[in-house]
Amino acid sequence: KAGVTQTPRYLIKTRGQQVTLSCSPISGHRSVSWYQQTPGQGLQFLFEYFSETQRNKGNFPGRFSGRQFSNSRSEMNVSTLELGDSALYLCASSLVSGALIGELFFGEGSRLTVL
Amino acid sequence: QKEVEQNSGPLSVPEGAIASLNCTYSDRVSQSFFWYRQYSGKSPELIMSIYSNGDKEDGRFTAQLNKASQYVSLLIRDSQPSDSATYLCAVNMAAGNKLTFGGGTRVLVKP
Repeated sequence: KAGVTQTPRYLIKTRGQQVTLSCSPISGHRSVSWYQQTPGQGLQFLFEYFSETQRNKGNFPGRFSGRQFSNSRSEMNVSTLELGDSALYLCASSLVSGALIGELFFGEGSRLTVL
Repeated sequence: QKEVEQNSGPLSVPEGAIASLNCTYSDRVSQSFFWYRQYSGKSPELIMSIYSNGDKEDGRFTAQLNKASQYVSLLIRDSQPSDSATYLCAVNMAAGNKLTFGGGTRVLVKP
Protein backbone atom coordinates (compact mmCIF):
# COMPACT_ATOMS: atom_id res chain seq x y z
CA LYS A 1 0.00 0.00 0.00
CA ALA A 2 1.53 3.30 -1.09
CA GLY A 3 2.13 5.89 1.59
CA VAL A 4 1.58 9.62 1.55
CA THR A 5 3.44 11.26 -1.30
CA GLN A 6 4.56 14.86 -1.20
CA THR A 7 6.10 16.84 -4.01
CA PRO A 8 8.44 18.53 -4.41
CA ARG A 9 10.73 17.29 -1.65
CA TYR A 10 13.01 20.31 -1.71
CA LEU A 11 12.63 23.75 -3.12
CA ILE A 12 14.29 27.13 -2.89
CA LYS A 13 12.39 30.34 -3.43
CA THR A 14 13.07 34.03 -2.93
CA ARG A 15 11.08 36.49 -0.85
CA GLY A 16 7.90 37.65 -2.52
CA GLN A 17 7.49 34.56 -4.67
CA GLN A 18 4.74 32.01 -4.22
CA VAL A 19 4.90 28.26 -3.89
CA THR A 20 2.52 25.35 -4.36
CA LEU A 21 3.05 22.03 -2.58
CA SER A 22 1.26 18.83 -3.44
CA CYS A 23 0.15 15.87 -1.37
CA SER A 24 -1.35 12.55 -2.41
CA PRO A 25 -2.87 10.70 0.56
CA ILE A 26 -3.01 6.99 1.17
CA SER A 27 -5.59 5.37 -1.03
CA GLY A 28 -8.98 5.49 0.67
CA HIS A 29 -8.05 8.29 3.05
CA ARG A 30 -10.26 11.32 2.64
CA SER A 31 -8.73 13.61 5.24
CA VAL A 32 -5.56 15.57 4.55
CA SER A 33 -3.92 17.80 7.14
CA TRP A 34 -1.01 20.14 6.63
CA TYR A 35 1.59 21.08 9.24
CA GLN A 36 4.55 23.41 9.31
CA GLN A 37 7.58 22.20 11.25
CA THR A 38 10.38 24.50 12.36
CA PRO A 39 13.07 24.02 15.03
CA GLY A 40 11.70 26.88 17.09
CA GLN A 41 7.94 26.31 16.85
CA GLY A 42 7.72 22.59 16.33
CA LEU A 43 4.74 21.16 14.46
CA GLN A 44 2.14 23.82 13.80
CA PHE A 45 -1.27 22.95 12.35
CA LEU A 46 -2.11 24.74 9.13
CA PHE A 47 -5.41 23.26 7.96
CA GLU A 48 -7.36 20.08 7.37
CA TYR A 49 -9.44 19.09 4.38
CA PHE A 50 -12.00 16.34 4.23
CA SER A 51 -14.02 15.53 1.12
CA GLU A 52 -12.89 18.74 -0.56
CA THR A 53 -14.00 20.92 2.36
CA GLN A 54 -11.74 22.77 4.74
CA ARG A 55 -12.74 21.47 8.16
CA ASN A 56 -10.31 23.36 10.33
CA LYS A 57 -7.69 26.06 10.09
CA GLY A 58 -4.72 27.00 12.26
CA ASN A 59 -3.44 30.43 13.20
CA PHE A 60 -1.60 31.27 10.04
CA PRO A 61 -2.02 34.38 7.86
CA GLY A 62 -4.17 34.36 4.77
CA ARG A 63 -1.05 33.93 2.61
CA PHE A 64 -1.36 30.25 3.45
CA SER A 65 -4.14 28.52 1.61
CA GLY A 66 -5.07 25.07 0.46
CA ARG A 67 -7.52 22.97 -1.42
CA GLN A 68 -8.49 19.38 -1.92
CA PHE A 69 -9.58 17.70 -5.09
CA SER A 70 -12.22 15.04 -5.67
CA ASN A 71 -9.55 12.31 -5.68
CA SER A 72 -8.47 13.52 -2.17
CA ARG A 73 -5.18 14.93 -3.41
CA SER A 74 -4.41 18.23 -1.78
CA GLU A 75 -2.35 21.29 -2.50
CA MET A 76 -1.23 24.12 -0.30
CA ASN A 77 -0.10 27.49 -1.52
CA VAL A 78 1.96 30.15 0.16
CA SER A 79 1.97 33.55 -1.49
CA THR A 80 4.31 36.48 -0.98
CA LEU A 81 6.92 34.31 0.69
CA GLU A 82 8.79 35.60 3.72
CA LEU A 83 12.06 34.40 5.20
CA GLY A 84 10.15 33.01 8.17
CA ASP A 85 8.24 30.65 5.89
CA SER A 86 11.34 28.51 5.57
CA ALA A 87 10.29 25.21 7.08
CA LEU A 88 9.43 21.59 6.53
CA TYR A 89 5.84 21.32 5.36
CA LEU A 90 4.27 18.01 6.27
CA CYS A 91 1.13 16.52 4.86
CA ALA A 92 -0.71 13.82 6.77
CA SER A 93 -3.62 11.68 5.72
CA SER A 94 -6.26 9.99 7.80
CA LEU A 95 -9.32 7.82 7.27
CA VAL A 96 -11.51 10.06 9.39
CA SER A 97 -11.94 13.67 10.26
CA GLY A 98 -13.28 15.45 13.25
CA ALA A 99 -13.16 14.21 16.80
CA LEU A 100 -11.43 10.97 15.94
CA ILE A 101 -8.59 12.56 14.05
CA GLY A 102 -5.27 11.66 15.50
CA GLU A 103 -4.05 8.58 13.72
CA LEU A 104 -2.21 10.46 11.05
CA PHE A 105 0.09 9.07 8.41
CA PHE A 106 2.71 11.60 7.40
CA GLY A 107 4.47 12.11 4.12
CA GLU A 108 8.20 12.79 3.98
CA GLY A 109 7.60 16.51 3.71
CA SER A 110 8.53 19.37 1.43
CA ARG A 111 11.47 21.39 2.67
CA LEU A 112 11.10 25.00 1.65
CA THR A 113 13.95 27.46 1.86
CA VAL A 114 13.20 31.14 1.30
CA LEU A 115 16.15 33.35 0.46
CA GLN B 1 0.58 28.50 28.51
CA LYS B 2 1.17 26.18 25.58
CA GLU B 3 -1.68 23.85 24.71
CA VAL B 4 0.54 20.76 24.83
CA GLU B 5 3.78 20.88 26.80
CA GLN B 6 6.72 18.53 26.86
CA ASN B 7 10.21 18.73 28.28
CA SER B 8 12.48 19.22 25.28
CA GLY B 9 15.28 17.10 26.74
CA PRO B 10 17.52 15.54 25.77
CA LEU B 11 16.57 12.64 27.97
CA SER B 12 19.62 10.44 28.17
CA VAL B 13 19.08 6.83 29.25
CA PRO B 14 21.42 3.83 29.27
CA GLU B 15 20.60 0.88 27.05
CA GLY B 16 18.20 -1.49 28.78
CA ALA B 17 16.78 1.15 31.12
CA ILE B 18 13.28 2.65 31.19
CA ALA B 19 12.74 6.00 29.49
CA SER B 20 9.89 8.02 30.96
CA LEU B 21 8.40 10.87 28.94
CA ASN B 22 5.77 13.29 30.17
CA CYS B 23 3.22 15.54 28.52
CA THR B 24 0.64 17.95 29.91
CA TYR B 25 -2.24 19.55 28.04
CA SER B 26 -4.47 22.51 28.66
CA ASP B 27 -7.84 21.50 27.18
CA ARG B 28 -9.74 19.68 29.90
CA VAL B 29 -12.26 18.18 27.46
CA SER B 30 -9.68 16.55 25.18
CA GLN B 31 -10.52 12.92 24.51
CA SER B 32 -7.79 11.50 22.27
CA PHE B 33 -4.07 11.32 22.95
CA PHE B 34 -1.23 10.08 20.79
CA TRP B 35 2.50 9.54 20.84
CA TYR B 36 4.52 9.93 17.67
CA ARG B 37 8.16 9.13 17.12
CA GLN B 38 10.30 11.20 14.76
CA TYR B 39 13.78 10.13 13.77
CA SER B 40 16.17 12.85 12.70
CA GLY B 41 15.44 13.88 9.13
CA LYS B 42 12.30 11.74 8.97
CA SER B 43 8.61 12.40 9.37
CA PRO B 44 6.61 11.54 12.50
CA GLU B 45 5.11 8.08 12.84
CA LEU B 46 2.37 7.02 15.22
CA ILE B 47 3.45 4.59 17.94
CA MET B 48 0.67 4.76 20.53
CA SER B 49 -2.85 6.04 20.97
CA ILE B 50 -4.80 6.20 24.24
CA TYR B 51 -8.34 7.32 24.90
CA SER B 52 -9.21 6.16 28.45
CA ASN B 53 -7.68 6.78 31.84
CA GLY B 54 -5.12 4.20 32.87
CA ASP B 55 -2.37 2.31 31.11
CA LYS B 56 -2.12 0.90 27.62
CA GLU B 57 0.72 -1.41 26.71
CA ASP B 58 2.07 -2.24 23.27
CA GLY B 59 5.29 -4.20 23.25
CA ARG B 60 7.98 -2.21 25.03
CA PHE B 61 5.80 0.93 25.06
CA THR B 62 3.27 1.87 27.73
CA ALA B 63 1.11 4.97 27.52
CA GLN B 64 -0.48 6.31 30.68
CA LEU B 65 -3.35 8.78 30.80
CA ASN B 66 -4.71 10.80 33.72
CA LYS B 67 -7.44 13.13 32.51
CA ALA B 68 -8.05 14.64 35.94
CA SER B 69 -4.45 15.82 36.05
CA GLN B 70 -4.38 16.52 32.30
CA TYR B 71 -1.30 14.40 32.00
CA VAL B 72 -0.19 11.71 29.58
CA SER B 73 3.07 9.82 29.67
CA LEU B 74 5.04 7.27 27.66
CA LEU B 75 7.29 4.63 29.10
CA ILE B 76 9.85 2.84 26.93
CA ARG B 77 11.07 -0.33 28.59
CA ASP B 78 14.36 -2.03 27.77
CA SER B 79 15.45 1.05 25.80
CA GLN B 80 17.53 0.37 22.69
CA PRO B 81 19.82 2.69 20.74
CA SER B 82 17.25 2.48 17.93
CA ASP B 83 14.78 4.24 20.25
CA SER B 84 16.89 7.40 20.03
CA ALA B 85 14.51 9.89 18.46
CA THR B 86 12.21 12.79 19.26
CA TYR B 87 8.89 11.74 20.79
CA LEU B 88 5.93 13.99 20.11
CA CYS B 89 2.85 14.08 22.26
CA ALA B 90 -0.32 14.95 20.33
CA VAL B 91 -3.75 15.81 21.66
CA ASN B 92 -7.01 16.11 19.79
CA MET B 93 -8.25 19.41 21.13
CA ALA B 94 -12.00 19.05 21.24
CA ALA B 95 -12.51 22.79 21.20
CA GLY B 96 -10.64 23.19 17.95
CA ASN B 97 -11.22 19.71 16.65
CA LYS B 98 -7.64 19.46 15.50
CA LEU B 99 -4.53 17.52 16.47
CA THR B 100 -2.12 19.69 18.44
CA PHE B 101 1.47 18.60 18.98
CA GLY B 102 3.83 19.31 21.82
CA GLY B 103 7.35 20.46 21.10
CA GLY B 104 8.74 16.96 21.51
CA THR B 105 11.21 15.28 23.85
CA ARG B 106 14.52 14.18 22.41
CA VAL B 107 15.59 10.79 23.73
CA LEU B 108 19.16 9.51 23.55
CA VAL B 109 19.78 5.86 24.40
CA LYS B 110 23.44 5.22 25.08
CA PRO B 111 24.94 1.74 24.59
